[in-house]
Amino acid sequence: QKEVEQNSGPLSVPEGAIASLNCTYSDRVSQSFFWYRQYSGKSPELIMSIYSNGDKEDGRFTAQLNKASQYVSLLIRDSQPSDSATYLCAVSGDTGRRALTFGSGTRLQVQP
Amino acid sequence: KAGVTQTPRYLIKTRGQQVTLSCSPISGHRSVSWYQQTPGQGLQFLFEYFSETQRNKGNFPGRFSGRQFSNSRSEMNVSTLELGDSALYLCASSWTSGRLSSYEQYFGPGTRLTVT
Repeated sequence: QKEVEQNSGPLSVPEGAIASLNCTYSDRVSQSFFWYRQYSGKSPELIMSIYSNGDKEDGRFTAQLNKASQYVSLLIRDSQPSDSATYLCAVSGDTGRRALTFGSGTRLQVQP
Repeated sequence: KAGVTQTPRYLIKTRGQQVTLSCSPISGHRSVSWYQQTPGQGLQFLFEYFSETQRNKGNFPGRFSGRQFSNSRSEMNVSTLELGDSALYLCASSWTSGRLSSYEQYFGPGTRLTVT
C-alpha cells in the first residue's frame, strides 16, 4: 500500500524562525509532490508543488525533493503566527497523477 | 477568477438514504477529483473525472459514484448511507488541455456530510 508519512506534531517554532516540515513516501515511482496548508475548519490550500530533485523556492517557502531517499520537505522562513496550520504532504504516482495520496499532516504552531 | 464551488456546504442525512453533492471547477479547468476527509482516515482519493469520463478510482465501495457533465461540472453520489460516511467531501480541479496538463489541484470549500 502506498504510504505518505509525516510527523503529526505539533511542531512549535518562535515567530521569525525557520519551520522545517518533513515527509517520506513509499512508492518509488511517485512523480508529483505537493504541500498543502489547511487551517482548522477550512479546505486544503496548495502552497507548493515540486516535480524534480532539488529545491524550489516561492517567497518564504522552499520545497525540497530527494527521490533517491523518497523524501520531501518544506521550509518556511520568517515564520509568522498566521502560518499556524496543518501542513499536508501529497504525492501522486503512476496510477494517476491526480490521484493524490496524502500524509496525515503536521500541525505547526508559531509562537508570537 | 472564481474558485472551486461546492454545494451544499452542509448536509444532514439518515442511514440508508442517498445523497448527491455538486462541484463546479475553476473556469477553464476540465479535470475534477473528489476526496473524502475524516479525522480517522485523513484525506483519501475517491475518483477523478476528465472529459466526462472517470479516469481513476480510489479504494471505496461501489456505493460511491460520480459523473461529470460537458461543462466540467461534477456530481458525486453516495447511496445507502452509513454512519461512517460522515465526512468532509472535497472537490478539486486542475487544468488540462489536450497534451498539456497541470497536476496542481485546487480544492473547493467542501461539503460537510453528517449521517445520523
